Amino acid sequence: RKEVEQDPGPFNVPEGATVAFNCTYSNSASQSFFWYRQDCRKEPKLLMSVYSSGNEDGRFTAQLNRASQYISLLIRDSKLSDSATYLCVVGSGGYQKVTFGTGTKLQVIP
Amino acid sequence: GAGVSQSPSNKVTEKGKDVELRCDPISGHTALYWYRQSLGQGLEFLIYFQGNSAPDKSGLPSDRFSAERTGGSVSTLTIQRTQQEDSAVYLCASSLPQRQDIEFFGPGTRLTVL
Repeated sequence: RKEVEQDPGPFNVPEGATVAFNCTYSNSASQSFFWYRQDCRKEPKLLMSVYSSGNEDGRFTAQLNRASQYISLLIRDSKLSDSATYLCVVGSGGYQKVTFGTGTKLQVIP
Repeated sequence: GAGVSQSPSNKVTEKGKDVELRCDPISGHTALYWYRQSLGQGLEFLIYFQGNSAPDKSGLPSDRFSAERTGGSVSTLTIQRTQQEDSAVYLCASSLPQRQDIEFFGPGTRLTVL
């Protein structure tokens, strides 16, 4: 089983729609969780951290479910500019060692 | 610029040649990482530096791969006797030591082995 698993998609959604991605992780000792965004042929960029209590940043909401070992990302009111691959990242080591998922591709269509 | 820089941006080489990839992290970032990303694949961890030492080299795929960091700053990743399966984008990233995440990635070096 992969350490971090994501549905590769693509998720094709119309502008204005709400879309959610899940990501599961296998190491129950994982301590840190993040979502990154990667545009085509570009480097990943940190989108947001995921806290136990959940957190929101504008149209983006991230949640953590430790019992079921998954994290989620919800995007409300999707924009064309949200089209990208969203990478789930889980940290387990004591020194920032993180594992990247293979990403979920989102395509927002007009 | 204030970001992580990498050079060259693109490298085409012949099978069997050695290549050297360079990373200039953000000033003051003691944590430095190398990852690689093959076409359509996720990021594969290669090596982590804290200062000049590498506490985790577990991701280096073979003894053809090596990396060093000097002065707590610039890092080079060397691939000897390149193979076609080494073709990928090699990404460097740096962070402040107290951060749990990987804060900034460089633009990557796209390596093509013919």
